[in-house]
Amino acid sequence: QKEVEQDPGPLSVPEGAIVSLNCTYSNSAFQYFMWYRQYSRKGPELLMYTYSSGNKEDGRFTAQVDKSSKYISLFIRDSQPSDSATYLCAMRPIYNQGGKLIFGQGTELSVKP
Amino acid sequence: GAVVSQHPSWVICKSGTSVKIECRSLDFQATTMFWYRQFPKQSLMLMATSNEGSKATYEQGVEKDKFLINHASLTLSTLTVTSAHPEDSSFYICSAPDMRKGNTEAFFGQGTRLTVV
Repeated sequence: QKEVEQDPGPLSVPEGAIVSLNCTYSNSAFQYFMWYRQYSRKGPELLMYTYSSGNKEDGRFTAQVDKSSKYISLFIRDSQPSDSATYLCAMRPIYNQGGKLIFGQGTELSVKP
Repeated sequence: GAVVSQHPSWVICKSGTSVKIECRSLDFQATTMFWYRQFPKQSLMLMATSNEGSKATYEQGVEKDKFLINHASLTLSTLTVTSAHPEDSSFYICSAPDMRKGNTEAFFGQGTRLTVV
């Protein structure tokens, strides 16, 4: 079993839809959770960064962490064609400051105009 | 956010030659940098952890003599693919954690697409 599971998609939605992206994990020591967006042939770009449980909102993006269920989500409101990319979740434990991240497989998202 | 610059963005080389990829942290110091490899439609695979002033730590299955890593300064790490073969063709990405704020957020370079012919 992988430490981090993420549905690879592809996920196709119409413009303006609310998108929900999710990851599950097995290591209860994970405390830092990140979402990255990666356009084709580019390096990943950090979108959201959360610590422990709770919600964090930034513009059209909302990140949620449910540590009791070992489940994290990224919501995109009013999705745009420019949101079409691969979204990667990543996480690491609190004792691994500056350490390597564990990535999900990435979900390929396509927003159709 | 912090800026990590990777160069070159793409390179084509002949089989048997060596290729060097540079990763620079432009506005912060990075004692640690990470090198990843990514195949099409797959996630990032960690190859090695680059440590400033000491030897790199390689993940299981990664040949240290083939993928030479040097982290000579707090802002520069290099990955050299030695005696490249077509199977080494891939997308290579570096990242560096920015620890200035106490919360270590990792930032990525633009990636290098290597094609070995």
